[in-house]
Amino acid sequence: QITLKESGPTLVKPTQTLTLTCTFSGFSLSTSGVGVGWIRQPPGKALEWLALIYWNDDKRYSPSLKSRLTITKDTSKNQVVLTMTNMDPVDTATYYCARPRGYCSSTSCRNWFDPWGQGTLVTVSS
Amino acid sequence: EIVMTQSPATLSVSPGERATLSCRASQSVSSNLAWYQQKPGQAPRLLIYGASTRATGIPARFSGSGSGTEFTLTISSLQSEDFAVYYCQQYNNWPLLTFGQGTRLEIK
Repeated sequence: QITLKESGPTLVKPTQTLTLTCTFSGFSLSTSGVGVGWIRQPPGKALEWLALIYWNDDKRYSPSLKSRLTITKDTSKNQVVLTMTNMDPVDTATYYCARPRGYCSSTSCRNWFDPWGQGTLVTVSS
Repeated sequence: EIVMTQSPATLSVSPGERATLSCRASQSVSSNLAWYQQKPGQAPRLLIYGASTRATGIPARFSGSGSGTEFTLTISSLQSEDFAVYYCQQYNNWPLLTFGQGTRLEIK
């Protein structure tokens, strides 16, 4: 059974850096083709993809947030960490990690997400 | 960036009736489209991928169709547990994965 769970602060101040951890089980990031992604959802709004990291340490970011995001993995701990700098109240959202499914060729991937973690609500306020 | 537009924003349907939800891509995504269901306070759940392949454990009353820019999610006979928000996601333009804004399916 594959599970993922997000952890991190529930409240951050504007300009601070957010660090979220996704702890997963049932798969390994040392296995070819495997990855973990982050998606967020502001209250009452739609889903927004943020970042992906793959078994080979290939990292991909949303262009609109690329300058603020860093994704890393710790294969031995079964964890993926997302950091987002310079937090703003508009970044208030539920942050999800999820396993990308699909397939990758030598140059690209085709990924949907399944399963998802339960999500963690992060509020940005002074 | 490929923009995904879902319609209608809200759909009111009676239990037992059929629901048809639409998703349109701003450019062709081939069949690289997924559908998710999200209930209040829960994470999204994968329903469909490849535009028409049901995910493991998804009831047969859920079906997806379409290719290119026009896609449809059909729920053949609505059950009480189906009232939720539904999102489409394109994955053709990897890694720029984009979601629609959602359709809220409510009880009529």
